Amino acid sequence: DQQVKQNSPSLSVQEGRISILNCDYTNSMFDYFLWYKKYPAEGPTFLISISSIKDKNEDGRFTVFLNKSAKHLSLHIVPSQPGDSAVYFCAASAWYAGNMLTFGGGTRLMVKP
Amino acid sequence: DAGVIQSPRHEVTEMGQEVTLRCKPISGHDYLFWYRQTMMRGLELLIYFNNNVPIDDSGMPEDRFSAKMPNASFSTLKIQPSEPRDSAVYFCASSTNTGTGVETQYFGPGTRLLVL
Repeated sequence: DQQVKQNSPSLSVQEGRISILNCDYTNSMFDYFLWYKKYPAEGPTFLISISSIKDKNEDGRFTVFLNKSAKHLSLHIVPSQPGDSAVYFCAASAWYAGNMLTFGGGTRLMVKP
Repeated sequence: DAGVIQSPRHEVTEMGQEVTLRCKPISGHDYLFWYRQTMMRGLELLIYFNNNVPIDDSGMPEDRFSAKMPNASFSTLKIQPSEPRDSAVYFCASSTNTGTGVETQYFGPGTRLLVL
């Protein structure tokens, strides 16, 4: 039973436009959410996070939105750049699980010049 | 800091052979995680340690898989005997508590395993 789902395996966007990556979760005990970015032949690297007490967190071109009632979060990248082409993983943690994260399956973003 | 170090980076072996993957976490980190990435299942947690003690190994697929953390700076993931379906990229990650909530995990570059 996947508790964190990324229903779009891939997304293609034109350079300069907005990229929106989506993530849904089922466990209402999740209270912290993270996005990781992964380039080929490298390990995932942390990108941005959000606590469940917030509904938005922004860091430069990256903004994460959290809709707790819908159990949905999204990552917006504006403007998208070719260097953003990577696999993006959504991850979630529950307060009782220590530092353990549950990851989604990932979305491959391709930003075309 | 050198980050999380994994070895080997690539491993090709034949079915039935023993495979040992190694990980050195970031110095001072007290959590260590082993993940497996496949096309079908994405990034799945196999096992994690806290202060060298295994906390949750429910993700370990079967008895052929075992993991140890003999000290704070070293962990191994062993597959014996290996099977073609074990082919995947195996990641090690580490983190620590800074008291500010859920802590970011830092990943190694992964070991790409191919079992023929």
